[in-house]
Amino acid sequence: DTAVSQTPKYLVTQMGNDKSIKCEQNLGHDTMYWYKQDSKKFLKIMFSYNNKELIINETVPNRFSPKSPDKAHLNLHINSLELGDSAVYFCATSQDIGNSPLHFGNGTRLTVT
Amino acid sequence: AQSVTQPDIHITVSEGASLELRCNYSYGATPYLFWYVQSPGQGLQLLLKYFSGDTLVQGIKGFEAEFKRSQSSFNLRKPSVHWSDAAEYFCAVGAVAGNMLTFGGGTRLMVKP
Repeated sequence: DTAVSQTPKYLVTQMGNDKSIKCEQNLGHDTMYWYKQDSKKFLKIMFSYNNKELIINETVPNRFSPKSPDKAHLNLHINSLELGDSAVYFCATSQDIGNSPLHFGNGTRLTVT
Repeated sequence: AQSVTQPDIHITVSEGASLELRCNYSYGATPYLFWYVQSPGQGLQLLLKYFSGDTLVQGIKGFEAEFKRSQSSFNLRKPSVHWSDAAEYFCAVGAVAGNMLTFGGGTRLMVKP
């Protein structure tokens, strides 16, 4: 039973399209995150939600909109996709907003053509 | 602002040899330090963490890391590397309050038979 699951695993789409990535966790954790890993493996936080409320919103274009319908889900919707959005997006969770360790999903590789 | 530097982008070691991966951080207060491992096509998995107390911490898979405040370092070590240890390793530092992890650029470990 996967603790943090993301769908889809791969996503290939054209510029200008709108797409969503879904994340679900069964760990009962309060906090969920989206991270972006670029082609050089550099990992950077995008958003953090705690109990369905937005806590962290790093400098991310407003084309990216996270949505948390409940504590177990944090989806990422991206409008008007651009070539530079190509990356691997990781969902992660932690027990609380403190420094409890992160549990990562296996990532979604987004390729924009 | 906090930052993490992993000076070695690639490291190759022979199976059975010892390993040390370097991590240097910059942070104005007591750091929370982590090492994560990423296997190909997978998310990141926590190896070990340091919050306080004993500066030598033990992790999973036979890894350990030592926190040296005077050198702002948190190097990862393993006495005898196995072929299955080949992966990407990430050092991360967190704020004292809140889970805003900053990751290093990663070190890719290759293991020769």
